[in-house]
Amino acid sequence: AQSVTQLDSQVPVFEEAPVELRCNYSSSVSVYLFWYVQYPNQGLQLLLKYLSGSTLVKGINGFEAEFNKSQTSFHLRKPSVHISDTAEYFCAVSDRNAGNMLTFGGGTRLMVKP
Amino acid sequence: GAVVSQHPSWVICKSGTSVKIECRSLDFQATTMFWYRQFPKQSLMLMATSNEGSKATYEQGVEKDKFLINHASLTLSTLTVTSAHPEDSSFYICSPFQPSGTGSFGYTFGSGTRLTVV
Repeated sequence: AQSVTQLDSQVPVFEEAPVELRCNYSSSVSVYLFWYVQYPNQGLQLLLKYLSGSTLVKGINGFEAEFNKSQTSFHLRKPSVHISDTAEYFCAVSDRNAGNMLTFGGGTRLMVKP
Repeated sequence: GAVVSQHPSWVICKSGTSVKIECRSLDFQATTMFWYRQFPKQSLMLMATSNEGSKATYEQGVEKDKFLINHASLTLSTLTVTSAHPEDSSFYICSPFQPSGTGSFGYTFGSGTRLTVV
């Protein structure tokens, strides 16, 4: 079974600083990769996804992520964060050999301080 | 496109009563529906997967008689929490899936239902 690890449960950072949220998964065979953001008491909003092609994926709100097959990682980055980026971020993996089920990481709470 | 409507957004019920949560895909047809549960400060945990017109498949540890899932059409699925207890209090999120989806590669999410059982 697929497993997804988000190494940091919380990441505090000052406004306008760069940030990296880490994500590792257990298998690189036939997977699609996603990053979602969740604001309090809301559903999930897609930030970006990797399906195939270029390993550097650009998403909304200035976020990007890089698929690294050898390290089975899909880290999320933003060069300059804003207060409004404070939220919970989830990495997810879809295993095409397991009924398209999405497996989520434990989440990383990004806290942007002024 | 790919709009999902989940209702209610929050509900408070008495212990022992049942609560029904609706999830509608407004502009697409979802052959598969995933239902997730999220406890405070935790990730989403898959509860069950349902395909239109067939019985749902429940994840280990999820009671199928307690969490009744109906996926009678390609645009509507319901989750009924029967005889709810305080430990069922959680945030429930539906996720309709389109095999040939656009945008999110077919994954969309409802806005969630906050269930509080008192």
